[in-house]
Amino acid sequence: QVQLQESGPGLVKPSGTLSLACAVFGDSITISNWWSWVRQSPGKGLEWIGEIYHSGTTNYNPSLKSRLTISVDKSTNQFSLKLSSVTAADTAVYYCTTSAYGSQNWFDPWGQGTLVTVSS
Amino acid sequence: DIQMTQSPSSLSASVGDRVTITCRASQSITSYLNWYQQKPGRAPKVLINGASSLQSGVPSRFSGRGSGTDFTLTISGLQPEDFATYYCQQSYSTPYTFGQGTKLEIK
Repeated sequence: QVQLQESGPGLVKPSGTLSLACAVFGDSITISNWWSWVRQSPGKGLEWIGEIYHSGTTNYNPSLKSRLTISVDKSTNQFSLKLSSVTAADTAVYYCTTSAYGSQNWFDPWGQGTLVTVSS
Repeated sequence: DIQMTQSPSSLSASVGDRVTITCRASQSITSYLNWYQQKPGRAPKVLINGASSLQSGVPSRFSGRGSGTDFTLTISGLQPEDFATYYCQQSYSTPYTFGQGTKLEIK
């Protein structure tokens, strides 16, 4: 059973770059899964950020695409998120999750989430 | 983007009640609809995928129906552990989108 764990700074300055990593445990990141990031602003709903396949193919949310990079590192069995030019609106709990390729694309499992606050 | 609209936004009910949450998509998503349960401070947990397929380990009191644009999640015989927030999510096309959530509270 795959398990996911997010890591990264909990505080980022405005106009800076938010960088998070998600470690994959229990299986190889090269299995036939899409690896996704989802965020949840305090007290708000869920927003899908984007996904990556182990080949490097990505799909991004157009609302974030100009600031977003998702990458995969097969040597460390991790995938990463970089979001540039952040503002207070990017303050959220960031989750990594996964969905099986060619399936109905439901997200399971999820990491525990990590709170990132954008503040000076 | 496909917009997902849930109703109601909040719902009060008692243990043992039967409740139904509705989710409507802005265009047809066939059966690419998933339901999640989220408790405070926890990640969402998938309950139902493909509109009506119950995930392994999820109690049979949860059921999902619908196709096209209109979907429902029904909980028959509410248990104390069911009080949480529920989200629908379309997985028909990217960007994947979620409903705004339905908070189920104890009456």
